[in-house]
Amino acid sequence: QVQLQESGPGLVKPSQTLSLTCTVSGGSVSSGSYYWSWIRQPAGKGLEWIGRVSPTGYTNYNPSLRSRVTISLDTSKNQFSLKLSSVTAADTAVYYCARHLAATHTFDYWGQGTLVSVSS
Amino acid sequence: QSALTQPASVSGSPGQSITISCTGTSSDIGGYNYVSWYHQHPGRAPKLMIYDVSNRPSGVSNRFSGSKSGNTASLTISGLQAEDEADYYCSSYTSISTVVFGGGTKLTVL
Repeated sequence: QVQLQESGPGLVKPSQTLSLTCTVSGGSVSSGSYYWSWIRQPAGKGLEWIGRVSPTGYTNYNPSLRSRVTISLDTSKNQFSLKLSSVTAADTAVYYCARHLAATHTFDYWGQGTLVSVSS
Repeated sequence: QSALTQPASVSGSPGQSITISCTGTSSDIGGYNYVSWYHQHPGRAPKLMIYDVSNRPSGVSNRFSGSKSGNTASLTISGLQAEDEADYYCSSYTSISTVVFGGGTKLTVL
């Protein structure tokens, strides 16, 4: 059974960089069948896809966040990470990591989510 | 990219059927058969219910079905049950190799 677990600070100051890591168990981030995505959800609002990384390290980002986002892969630790720079209160959300099926662009396994608040 | 358009809320009585629509453009829903549906209970992560427009993952009830016509996809739930009450989200692959979600629909079982 594949499991994903987000980790990182729950509080980030405005203008700083939000950093989260997703640890994958029960499967390999190196598998060519999958991408690895980050998705966020502000309180009471809908889901927003942030971006994804492929096993080769190729990335695609939501155009609205592209200038501030970096997603990377660490195959040695079976992890992938999110960095979002110059954060504001609008970036306060529950952040989910998810396995992204390359063939269907479907998210079949999700982490439990982690709340990140942006506040001074 | 703009979010796909879903109704804010739908409701139905136990045993009835409901349909949730998800409208996009020719650059997303209309251009690809990569539409997925998720449901989300409060405080929980979303769960995949439908992929590739109409396919159900193993373990998902056959009361859930999906379809697509033009730029609009639909999720139908038949034989409504209390446990179906949740938020539902559609998603689609896009022409710029991204994924876009709908705004979400709150399903209330009366």
